[in-house]
Amino acid sequence: EAGVAQSPRYKIIEKRQSVAFWCNPISGHATLYWYQQILGQGPKLLIQFQNNGVVDDSQLPKDRFSAERLKGVDSTLKIQPAKLEDSAVYLCASSPRTDGGKLFFGSGTQLSVL
Amino acid sequence: DAKTTQPPSMDCAEGRAANLPCNHSTISGNEYVYWYRQIHSQGPQYIIHGLKNNETNEMASLIITEDRKSSTLILPHATLRDTAVYYCIALTGYSTLTFGKGTMLLVSP
Repeated sequence: EAGVAQSPRYKIIEKRQSVAFWCNPISGHATLYWYQQILGQGPKLLIQFQNNGVVDDSQLPKDRFSAERLKGVDSTLKIQPAKLEDSAVYLCASSPRTDGGKLFFGSGTQLSVL
Repeated sequence: DAKTTQPPSMDCAEGRAANLPCNHSTISGNEYVYWYRQIHSQGPQYIIHGLKNNETNEMASLIITEDRKSSTLILPHATLRDTAVYYCIALTGYSTLTFGKGTMLLVSP
């Protein structure tokens, strides 16, 4: 089966610019996650969706980050305006269930903010 | 969820078994032990999970001690492609996957 698709693979922007990342989860997976991974650290959860509703966005910096999952399938994560400390890999994952820890991850988008 | 402790790095010779330890001394009765790995420039990949009993699949074996305070992930015949960061995570069925720093396993020829 096709895996989790993410684009773009790489993105370089200047601080204060905006950027958007796209994720297409595995077909039929109701739960979608966005993680942020800073170099040398493990991934950190930003937001979790169940279908098109938000389950957990407690660690999402809402003053600059936003995410949506229209129609409960694809999702977009946006940063506006970007800061230097937003340089990281942004990983999307999906799961067929809300419970359990078996997630399927995409390859991520590597963001560099200059 | 219980905190887990892993060594920051380990080495293994190609073809030998890689035994990756994880300490989770405060694990509760309803918390599972999950293992993921992350190969360079890729997203994390699920390996295996267990509650009390030892588990085996096509990728690895998971040995959980009887008191559940620690576990070991075993890659029976490590290859160069097994070089990755390995994460041990304890979580209940209703919590979200939280990653620590993991163990960097380097498999050498």
